[in-house]
Amino acid sequence: EIVLTQSPVTLSLSPGERATLSCRASQIINSRLAWYQQRPGQAPRLLITDVSNRATGVPARFSGSGSGTDFTLTITSLEPEDFAVYYCQHRSNWPTFGQGSKVEIK
Amino acid sequence: QEQLVESGGGVVQPGASLRISCEASGYFFSTYGMHWVRQAPGKGLEWVAFIRHDGSNKYYGESVRGRFTISSDGSNTFFLLMNSLRVEDTAIYYCAKDDYGGNFPHYMDVWGNGTTVIVSS
Repeated sequence: EIVLTQSPVTLSLSPGERATLSCRASQIINSRLAWYQQRPGQAPRLLITDVSNRATGVPARFSGSGSGTDFTLTITSLEPEDFAVYYCQHRSNWPTFGQGSKVEIK
Repeated sequence: QEQLVESGGGVVQPGASLRISCEASGYFFSTYGMHWVRQAPGKGLEWVAFIRHDGSNKYYGESVRGRFTISSDGSNTFFLLMNSLRVEDTAIYYCAKDDYGGNFPHYMDVWGNGTTVIVSS
């Protein structure tokens, strides 16, 4: 089973700042990685597929990058609604999620 | 508009069974598979199961394999039958539509609001 490790666990930032979240896989997973956002009390929302493809309706301030085992989600300028928990997910016959990174208001 | 609505959650004792449902609308449900994903209180997401749109392929997470069964009615409703429930199965259970429609699990692009299952004596 591939393990995804996200860092940092919590990121404290102010609106307008840049957020950089990391997801590291225990093995090479090529481009089989997605990112999700979960706001408090809500269901998760798909943001990025296959490392860097924004899902329908996702603002351009969200971008994904990386390859091999190391991947990054970047939010260029945080809006109030972006303060949430973010999960990466590996696409396989037995999908796995990272443990999540919380972006909180500083 | 694509929409998923879960139902059937509740409070059960350890060892009991429960079936939860997911009703889909607003898209060609005969094309896309369905996942169940759960979230224990205060914890992260855990993938539980996937069924191909025609029911021909099913995959399960290790912690539920042999106890849970995913199925569909061949139309717009998907089910998760949970047997031999344990305290650690307590969670919000989300159904989530697969975004690709292939033989294997892909990504999850539409989510329901979840149904809560509590296993407690």
